[in-house]
This record gives sequence, structure tokens and C-alpha cells, in this order.
Amino acid sequence: DQQVKQNSPSLSVQEGRISILNCDYTNSMFDYFLWYKKYPAEGPTFLISISSIKDKNEDGRFTVFLNKSAKHLSLHIVPSQPGDSAVYFCAASAAGYGNKLVFGAGTILRVKS
Amino acid sequence: EPEVTQTPSHQVTQMGQEVILRCVPISNHLYFYWYRQILGQKVEFLVSFYNNEISEKSEIFDDQFSVERPDGSNFTLKIRSTKLEDSAMYFCASRPGRGNQPQHFGDGTRLSIL
Repeated sequence: DQQVKQNSPSLSVQEGRISILNCDYTNSMFDYFLWYKKYPAEGPTFLISISSIKDKNEDGRFTVFLNKSAKHLSLHIVPSQPGDSAVYFCAASAAGYGNKLVFGAGTILRVKS
Repeated sequence: EPEVTQTPSHQVTQMGQEVILRCVPISNHLYFYWYRQILGQKVEFLVSFYNNEISEKSEIFDDQFSVERPDGSNFTLKIRSTKLEDSAMYFCASRPGRGNQPQHFGDGTRLSIL
């Protein structure tokens, strides 16, 4: 199942700089997109989401951008902090599919101090 | 902040045995989900539950799986006759209501089948 893809397994960023995590999807029925953060031995923690009627949503240091024509979304973290080091999952859902989440494989973010 | 709680954190079971994974969703949430993550693989949907019935299930959720909301707070996943390939992290999630709202996850139960 390759409906949601995160092509970068890992990303390393210097503290204070911007982290950009990318996600691509193939199913045009998806209308809601989410980013989750996961630490080892914990469950996914919701970070930020965006509806398909928007192209940007911002919450503090986190901004999600959606490009529907390219079926691409990205998560920007500015400034990056060492505590941001975790696995980041992109997920998508569609009202027509019962709102179940389809996850990407995740990107490991390391923020170096 | 309210959270989803799951017990046990780790369950070790012999192949062929029945196992019940327990979840307490966030109290005012109406939609409930189970997902699993096999080591090295993606988080994958198993089942969704609303209004005391299954609303959707994946191909993985075959006859050996069942879900139940036995009271007003617990939401359980039962695996009747476990197989080696059922070894995974199982996550419970809940969502407040209709529309585009995020699902909130518990910390998971690590199920190890011997």
C-alpha cells in the first residue's frame, strides 16, 4: 500500500535551523492530512493537520503546506530544537473511507545542538 | 490533558492462545480505532468503531479478531487464536466526532507471540 509516501527515511538538522519534512500521496479522495510525532515506546502524538480546502496551516513553530495539484504536503519546523528529534509520520484520511488514517513510513528527524 | 490509555504495555502469549488488549479512549470521544505496526513496517488500520458497531475493517481484521465496548469506558481488541505474525505494536485511537478532527493515540501494547 503506497498511498502515502515519505521518501526520506531520515533528516538531520542543526538546532535553530528549519526542518522540512515531505510527504506525497496518490489517492485524490484524501481530504484531511495530519502530522504525528512519535518517540520510542510511545504512541503517535498529533502535531498539526490541514484540510484539503486550505493550502497552509500554522501552529507556533509548526507549519503544514498542502499542494493539491502535486499531491504533496510538507511540515516546516522553525526553529528546530533538540527535543524535536523523533519519528514524524504523515497521515491522510478521506470522509468517504470512514476517516481511517493511512500512514506514511515515517521520517526520523535528528536535531543536533 | 485527556489521553488514551492502553493496557498492558507488553503482552507475551503462546501461539494459539487468546489475547485481549484493552483501551480507555478519551471520555467524550465517539469514534474508536485500532491500528497495528509490525516491526519495520508502516502503521496500518485494523478497525473503526462507532455507535456500538464496527463501521469499517481492513482485510487484516479477519474472523480471529473482534472488538467490543463492554461498558461506557473500555474498548477492547480480542485475538482468538494468535499466530506468530500477530506480533506487533497495537495502538488504540479515538476521535471526538464527525468531520475532520484528529485521532489521538495511546502508547500501544507490544504483543509478542511465542
